[in-house]
Amino acid sequence: SQTIHQWPATLVQPVGSPLSLECTVEGTSNPNLYWYRQAAGRGLQLLFYSVGIGQISSEVPQNLSASRPQDRQFILSSKKLLLSDSGFYLCAWSVRQGARGGELFFGEGSRLTVL
Amino acid sequence: SQQGEEDPQALSIQEGENATMNCSYKTSINNLQWYRQNSGRGLVHLILIRSNEREKHSGRLRVTLDTSKKSSSLLITASRAADTASYFCATDGGGGGATNKLIFGTGTLLAVQP
Repeated sequence: SQTIHQWPATLVQPVGSPLSLECTVEGTSNPNLYWYRQAAGRGLQLLFYSVGIGQISSEVPQNLSASRPQDRQFILSSKKLLLSDSGFYLCAWSVRQGARGGELFFGEGSRLTVL
Repeated sequence: SQQGEEDPQALSIQEGENATMNCSYKTSINNLQWYRQNSGRGLVHLILIRSNEREKHSGRLRVTLDTSKKSSSLLITASRAADTASYFCATDGGGGGATNKLIFGTGTLLAVQP
């Protein structure tokens, strides 16, 4: 069966420090991978998605970047965190498919607090 | 913004009652999905309804879709305290291609009192 791991679960970082959140998927190949951010009490905002190794699409301009060094590994990074980067970050994967779409499978999230 | 909206933002009911949540969206869709999120956790997929479907059932869940009004509703029957969570609708924006980018609504926080 497929599983998705996301870490760390919680982190507190000072403004200006770097960030690295990691996500790995097991039990499937060639998944689409996604990073979402959820502000407190709000819906999810899509930050990045990837359809293959080294292929990253950004949905919103921001202080963050993403990389996919391996088929089932997705990394969210920042060189210098801002206060506004605080939030709940969720990694997700889906089967790669066409127009009919399908469900997303989410990790347990990483709560980032920037002080 | 393409983001959908759920209504109400918060809902409190007694165990055994039915809970109805509504979702409105702005773009054309291929399908609409509902997800559940327990506090501080990831989202879990509940049900998917395609644009050519009007109603779908899964256990105690019933979803309706009205593409002419760009709206959907999620009904949870005979609610339980364990149903307490936030519920989100998500749409695919109607596009094709290899991705499954979903646009999520703002969510309804459901509290079921025992």
